[in-house]
Amino acid sequence: GEDVEQSLFLSVREGDSSVINCTYTDSSSTYLYWYKQEPGAGLQLLTYIFSNMDMKQDQRLTVLLNKKDKHLSLRIADTQTGDSAIYFCAERGSRAEGGGNKLTFGTGTQLKVEL
Amino acid sequence: DAGVTQSPTHLIKTRGQQVTLRCSPKSGHDTVSWYQQALGQGPQFIFQYYEEEERQRGNFPDRFSGHQFPNYSSELNVNALLLGDSALYLCASARGEGGYTFGSGTRLTVV
Repeated sequence: GEDVEQSLFLSVREGDSSVINCTYTDSSSTYLYWYKQEPGAGLQLLTYIFSNMDMKQDQRLTVLLNKKDKHLSLRIADTQTGDSAIYFCAERGSRAEGGGNKLTFGTGTQLKVEL
Repeated sequence: DAGVTQSPTHLIKTRGQQVTLRCSPKSGHDTVSWYQQALGQGPQFIFQYYEEEERQRGNFPDRFSGHQFPNYSSELNVNALLLGDSALYLCASARGEGGYTFGSGTRLTVV
């Protein structure tokens, strides 16, 4: 079945860049997503990338996708204390293979931004 | 424009009881999915509703059931509650192949 893995913790200093990594197993993934979750809150969609792309940039966020290695990363430039949260990587499978209706999430990476 | 609205925000139930959670999708969205997020874990897919039918189901027992109404809102029902059902229950809506918008969730505690 599908599996998504992320490292559990990342600590950076304010103003530095953060890079959060994710690996997945489903070779038929169509979309890959990054969500942010703050304490006690739901999930906020940050950005997503279609599987036939290898990079997407959106203001401070850059997503890189290596489809061959099934590796996804999220780079946050000029990280601020307000970026402290848990970041989830999620993949959406192929509708043709019965997986297009659900997201499979990783366990989340807790990002701590220090002054 | 209201996003996804879930109610209640918090709920405490006793083992063996039944619970109903409610979700109103974002305006213009017609697909509703439910996820369970245990403490310290990523969300797990329960099921998805589209056109009032369950379109896909995750690996959850039959104690978990749902419904979608003609106005696209949805309910999640859980029967015979277990301690292990304590979690944050998230509703997500979408339109077609678009990205999913999540609500803030219902925190269910089973005692």
